[in-house]
Amino acid sequence: DVKVTQSSRYLVKRTGEKVFLECVQDMDHENMFWYRQDPGLGLRLIYFSYDVKMKEKGDIPEGYSVSREKKERFSLILESASTNQTSMYLCASRDRGSWTEAFFGQGTRLTVV
Amino acid sequence: DAKTTQPPSMDCAEGRAANLPCNHSTISGNEYVYWYRQIHSQGPQYIIHGLKNNETNEMASLIITEDRKSSTLILPHATLRDTAVYYCTCSGGSNYKLTFGKGTLLTVNP
Repeated sequence: DVKVTQSSRYLVKRTGEKVFLECVQDMDHENMFWYRQDPGLGLRLIYFSYDVKMKEKGDIPEGYSVSREKKERFSLILESASTNQTSMYLCASRDRGSWTEAFFGQGTRLTVV
Repeated sequence: DAKTTQPPSMDCAEGRAANLPCNHSTISGNEYVYWYRQIHSQGPQYIIHGLKNNETNEMASLIITEDRKSSTLILPHATLRDTAVYYCTCSGGSNYKLTFGKGTLLTVNP
C-alpha cells in the first residue's frame, strides 16, 4: 500500500515561531503537494514539487516556503507562524508518468496561538 | 488548469443512486477528470478518473459528456458511509498541478 505519512496529527505553536511540517511518501513518486483546508474554503494548494529541489507556487503560497532535498520528503515551512495560519494541512503525492491518482496523508491540524 | 464548478451540497436517500455533477468547461484536450472524496477528518481518497470515455470501477461510474465540458459521478446504491465531500478536479498533460475547489457535500439519508 502507498503510504503518505505526515509527521504530526496535531500541533500547537506560538505566534512568530518557525514551524516545519514534514511529509514522507514511500512510493518513489515525483510529484508532491501541500494543501490547507479551512471550513467553507475547500482544499487550497499552497506549493507543489515535481522533482527533487524543484518547486512551484500554488494558489496561496504567501507566508509559506517548502523544501524537497530528497525525493521521498517534502517539507512545508512557516517562517513566522501567525494565527491566520491555523488550519488543517494535507500532503499528497502522485506518480508523474501515469497520471494516476494522488495519495493523501491524514493531515496535520495546526493551531497557532 | 481547468476550473471546476460543483454544487455545494446534495442529498440522497440510502439505496438510491447519487448523481454528482461537475462543470469543467475550460478543460484542455489532454487533461483527465478525477474524482476524490473526503470523509470527515480523513485525507481525501481517490475514486475514479477518465479522459473521454465513461469509466466504471467497484466504487462508482464516471460519465463524461462528449464535449468533455462536464461530467457526472454516479454512486449506484448510496449508503450512509458515502456521506462525504466529493471533489472533481482536472489534471494531465503539461499540467502537473492538482487543485481542488470546495466540492459537494453529499448527505445520504436513511
